Amino acid sequence: AQSVAQPEDQVNVAEGNPLTVKCTYSVSGNPYLFWYVQYPNRGLQFLLKYITGDNLVKGSYGFEAEFNKSQTSFHLKKPSALVSDSALYFCAVRDRVDSSYKLIFGSGTRLLVRP
Amino acid sequence: DADVTQTPRNRITKTGKRIMLECSQTKGHDRMYWYRQDPGLGLQLIYYSFDVKDINKGEISDGYSVSRQAQAKFSLSLESAIPNQTALYFCATSGGGVTDTQYFGPGTRLTVL
Repeated sequence: AQSVAQPEDQVNVAEGNPLTVKCTYSVSGNPYLFWYVQYPNRGLQFLLKYITGDNLVKGSYGFEAEFNKSQTSFHLKKPSALVSDSALYFCAVRDRVDSSYKLIFGSGTRLLVRP
Repeated sequence: DADVTQTPRNRITKTGKRIMLECSQTKGHDRMYWYRQDPGLGLQLIYYSFDVKDINKGEISDGYSVSRQAQAKFSLSLESAIPNQTALYFCATSGGGVTDTQYFGPGTRLTVL
């Protein structure tokens, strides 16, 4: 069965510092991996995705994520955090062999960037 | 994403009432989805539809029904609302293809008293 784990409920970082939001996954085949961000009173916004190829994926708002197959991880990163990055972040996975195209979401990590 | 709209944005109702949440999209996507979000649980899939004639149950379909009126419209109904259906509901769409990225509406906050 597919699953996604976001081990941290909340991540706190100072503005200007690098940030990492962790995600690990479990699928039977090879994964498609996604990161979404949810700002208060808003829907989820697509940030980036991993399909194949380069393990470092660049996305919106300066975010990037690194796919690590051996560690089954897809951590979200940003070199220099902004206060406006404070939001709820969701990792999601879909197994390429799953014909239902079901997307499995993690429980979310709240990022708080302090000035 | 402004291309996916949901109505109403907020709704308070009473136990036993029937309620419908509506979703419209202008992205031209064939695939549409309904999710609910509960604190600490992420998003759970209620129903999904790959075209007008294709409706599928998700992880938590009990107590819900859907209608795909057109390619652009997908409605979620609670026939007899109960308090544990209090949640944030999201509609999403996707266009198929290799990765089938989903795009979400702004959500409907539903409270069942």
